[in-house]
Amino acid sequence: NAGVTQTPKFRILKIGQSMTLQCTQDMNHNYMYWYRQDPGMGLKLIYYSVGAGITDKGEVPNGYNVSRSTTEDFPLRLELAAPSQTSVYFCASSYYRGNQPQHFGDGTRLSIL
Amino acid sequence: DAKTTQPPSMDCAEGRAANLPCNHSTISGNEYVYWYRQIHSQGPQYIIHGLKNNETNEMASLIITEDRKSSTLILPHATLRDTAVYYCIVRVADFGNEKLTFGTGTRLTIIP
Repeated sequence: NAGVTQTPKFRILKIGQSMTLQCTQDMNHNYMYWYRQDPGMGLKLIYYSVGAGITDKGEVPNGYNVSRSTTEDFPLRLELAAPSQTSVYFCASSYYRGNQPQHFGDGTRLSIL
Repeated sequence: DAKTTQPPSMDCAEGRAANLPCNHSTISGNEYVYWYRQIHSQGPQYIIHGLKNNETNEMASLIITEDRKSSTLILPHATLRDTAVYYCIVRVADFGNEKLTFGTGTRLTIIP
């Protein structure tokens, strides 16, 4: 049981480049989330999804896009990378019931130079 | 979601119980208390959660005061692998409120 798997683990981008951060879960969770964590700070919610075909904005969605075509996958797209997007990105998932905990992947460390 | 207050750091001897406090004096009746930890730079790891009753699982115990204004996470026999930042989060478990608000947490160091 792999849980939440994120790829790649590390990436360096140049300003203006685009890339997709991959996230997949094998727990059949309805809910999936993308967070970013800047150095010494807590996590901030970027986007979340309550099921295939349904996504919604979190606290800091600007500069990102998401899609949810399957229950398992929830990719995060950066279209025009900016230095402010240098961060660690975490994907998480949970069951549909409101009080169920979120389970996190190990993160993608992204640097924009 | 209610605000939480945690000490910035704590030490605990290996093999002893680690007791991590959290104050959430403005908690409302439908808000749950969650505990997560983050070891080094890994993803946050869920530990335990509760509403008003004390809870125990294979990792830890959660003690919530009767007035629900504070709680304590107990790691019964701390090991070096328990060194991490521990986050206490209060959250209404409801549709449309999907955000987990992570503060700065308590940095727990287990001393050999």
